[in-house]
Amino acid sequence: KAGVTQTPRYLIKTRGQQVTLSCSPISGHRSVSWYQQTPGQGLQFLFEYFSETQRNKGNFPGRFSGRQFSNSRSEMNVSTLELGDSALYLCASSSRTGSGGEQYFGPGTRLTVT
Amino acid sequence: SQELEQSPQSLIVQEGKNLTINCTSSKTLYGLYWYKQKYGEGLIFLMMLQKGGEEKSHEKITAKLDEKKQQSSLHITASQPSHAGIYLCGADYNAGNMLTFGGGTRLMVKP
Repeated sequence: KAGVTQTPRYLIKTRGQQVTLSCSPISGHRSVSWYQQTPGQGLQFLFEYFSETQRNKGNFPGRFSGRQFSNSRSEMNVSTLELGDSALYLCASSSRTGSGGEQYFGPGTRLTVT
Repeated sequence: SQELEQSPQSLIVQEGKNLTINCTSSKTLYGLYWYKQKYGEGLIFLMMLQKGGEEKSHEKITAKLDEKKQQSSLHITASQPSHAGIYLCGADYNAGNMLTFGGGTRLMVKP
């Protein structure tokens, strides 16, 4: 079974621009979660989508948004990029609908904002 | 996260030695995940432990969840260079897919 895939793997953007990252979950998984990892703040939860609906949201500004498609693929968008948005963005997929289950992470997208 | 404390922050061991990494939660855990990460890469799933206390093993890695202490430990027996990396614990506090992660433990194994 193919793992979680993320595209692109690397991205360089300029302050003020916007960016869209993509995540394809493991086949059959309906939940996709997004995380931001930085040296200062560590790994932080952004949001989770399940069946095209945002189910949980972390403490991030509204510039960070996401969506999920009917095939469970998910995208996250960051508008008006700031230098502090430079990070490794990871997505994870899970088949869990309620309790239990395992979350599997993709390789991440390294975003650099200059 | 201050809710989830990992210790030690870094660890250097000689190949063949055993080691333990701890993860302590200030809140009641529903589940606890262990992951390994190579620098700048994605997280590799190791184990998930559910509330009520659980112990799981895979190859040379054993993880336990102590419900009374809200603490989990990851033990590696006879460490190898391939065990080197960053170990992260992630807490599930609400039976959902929103994990809170500890700060990580950077493990180096000297040949």
